[in-house]
Amino acid sequence: AQSVSQHNHHVILSEAASLELGCNYSYGGTVNLFWYVQYPGQHLQLLLKYFSGDPLVKGIKGFEAEFIKSKFSFNLRKPSVQWSDTAEYFCAVNPGANNLFFGTGTRLTVIP
Amino acid sequence: DAGVIQSPRHEVTEMGQEVTLRCKPISGHNSLFWYRQTMMRGLELLIYFNNNVPIDDSGMPEDRFSAKMPNASFSTLKIQPSEPRDSAVYFCASSRTGANEQFFGPGTRLTVL
Repeated sequence: AQSVSQHNHHVILSEAASLELGCNYSYGGTVNLFWYVQYPGQHLQLLLKYFSGDPLVKGIKGFEAEFIKSKFSFNLRKPSVQWSDTAEYFCAVNPGANNLFFGTGTRLTVIP
Repeated sequence: DAGVIQSPRHEVTEMGQEVTLRCKPISGHNSLFWYRQTMMRGLELLIYFNNNVPIDDSGMPEDRFSAKMPNASFSTLKIQPSEPRDSAVYFCASSRTGANEQFFGPGTRLTVL
């Protein structure tokens, strides 16, 4: 079945550590890709998105993601995390339909 | 722009009662989505509408769940009768068709006792 996979369920890092969260999808053809963040007790907010062009996408709060078509991946990165980055992160894929398919999410805990 | 508006923000009810959740999408958005989020199952798409028409309701768990969108600025998700396993946070999101990016509301935290 077509899917969006986030292999890391819970990541714990110390402040200033580098972050990389994996996202792989199994849809063929042209896709639009998203990363959403959900801070504790809040709703999902868009971090960044990729539609076309430069496969390295920069988002808010110092986050970036790289689309690697050959690997069907869209990993999220941040060189130096902060305590305020503690949240749940969702990868989502739009394979051409009108809706998004979300991964199961990765919970990030940053220890001050 | 007020964003997606959901009400109520919190709902506590007893098993067997009817629950109605409400959503007002962002003006100009013609797609609306209802999601349910739980610890066990994560974020699940329940149903989505395009131009007020239900397009995919395959995520609606049972006949106890129903959703309507009588006009472009209002949608409801109804659970009748409610059960404890329906306890979750229910999110509404909207988007412009073709734009793909969805904007989420603050959610309704439902607790069924």
